[in-house]
Order: sequence, then structure tokens, then C-alpha cells
Amino acid sequence: AQTVTQSQPEMSVQEAETVTLSCTYDTSESDYYLFWYKQPPSRQMILVIRQEAYKQQNATENRFSVNFQKAAKSFSLKISDSQLGDAAMYFCALRGERGAQKLVFGQGTRLTINP
Amino acid sequence: DAGVIQSPRHEVTEMGQEVTLRCKPISGHNSLFWYRQTMMRGLELLIYFNNNVPIDDSGMPEDRFSAKMPNASFSTLKIQPSEPRDSAVYFCASSLGNQPQHFGDGTRLSIL
Repeated sequence: AQTVTQSQPEMSVQEAETVTLSCTYDTSESDYYLFWYKQPPSRQMILVIRQEAYKQQNATENRFSVNFQKAAKSFSLKISDSQLGDAAMYFCALRGERGAQKLVFGQGTRLTINP
Repeated sequence: DAGVIQSPRHEVTEMGQEVTLRCKPISGHNSLFWYRQTMMRGLELLIYFNNNVPIDDSGMPEDRFSAKMPNASFSTLKIQPSEPRDSAVYFCASSLGNQPQHFGDGTRLSIL
């Protein structure tokens, strides 16, 4: 079975500072995909960033980057220059390469941005 | 481009009534997913379709829940009879191949 664990229910950061959200996972597959989704109060699920497990290079999207440690099964999200609009729930998710295409989500981390 | 479209956005109904949630996936996407989000259980997959065929319905809680995808541009999730514990946000998502899933805005369902 695939599992995703986010050990930080809540995090806060000062505006313009950097914050890192943690995620660990477990899967028996060697090829898989990892995602971070953002859910603001409007409850939309917005894709933030994606990482293919076969790629050693960490994915980046503007102010968002990941630290993917395959051996440790760790996938953290770093947000640089935090902005008020970054305040949201952040979900880490795992999807296998073969077989089930479903996303397995972590419990989420609520991020607060302090002005 | 139009995203995944779900309706209604909110639904409030009494226990025992039939509830139908609707989803229009992104045109060209071949996979469609129904997720449920609750405080207790978080986000969990109910069922997903590939090329209109149900592939995995192991997340459907019980026989009161049913889902159909009669064509590539429409899917329904039906609850009959509804119960208060079915109250949740229900998301529909679609994808093409190994591309990321795109989510609709969700339906907030309240069963009184």
C-alpha cells in the first residue's frame, strides 16, 4: 500500500521569508510521481509542483522548489520569498507509475503567512 | 481553456434524499477521478474511470454510492439514500495519460 505522511499540521512564516514543508511517503514501486497541491480557502486544488521519481534533479517552479530524497522517501517543499497569497493548505500526494493512477494524499499542512 | 466543471457547487438536502453530483472533465482527458474530502479522513479516492470504464471503485464506501460515466464528457456520483455522515466536499478530477490531475472546484454536500 502507498502512504503519504505530513508531520506538520500547521506552519507559519513571515512574509518574504522562506519556509519548508515536510512530506515522507512509502511505496513499493520504483517509478512514481510526487506532487504538491495547494488548497486556498476557496477550496480549489491547485497543482504547485511535480516530481518524477526517475529524475534526480529537483523540480522548481518560480518561488517553489522541492528537495527530493528518493532513498529516504522524503519530498519537502520550499517556498521562497513567501507572499500573503501563499496562505493555504498544502497537500503532498503520490501516484504510482503503473497500475493505480489514483493520488494518495497526506493529511495536509496549513500554512499561515504573517505580514 | 475550460477546466473541470462540477455542479452543483453547494448542495443541502435532508437525510434519505437522493443526491446527484455532476462532473464535466477537461476535453481530451481520458481519466476521471472522484475524491471525497472530510476533516476526519482527509482526501480519499472513491472511484476512477479510464476511457469511461470504472477501473478502481474500492474507495466507494457502500452500496448507497454509485458512479457512472456514460461518455467521455460527463460523469455522475449518486448517493441514495443520503446520510449525515456523507457530508463532505466531493471533488472530480481529470487527467490525460501520466499528466497531473486537474481538479474541479468541488461540491460541498451537507446532509441534514
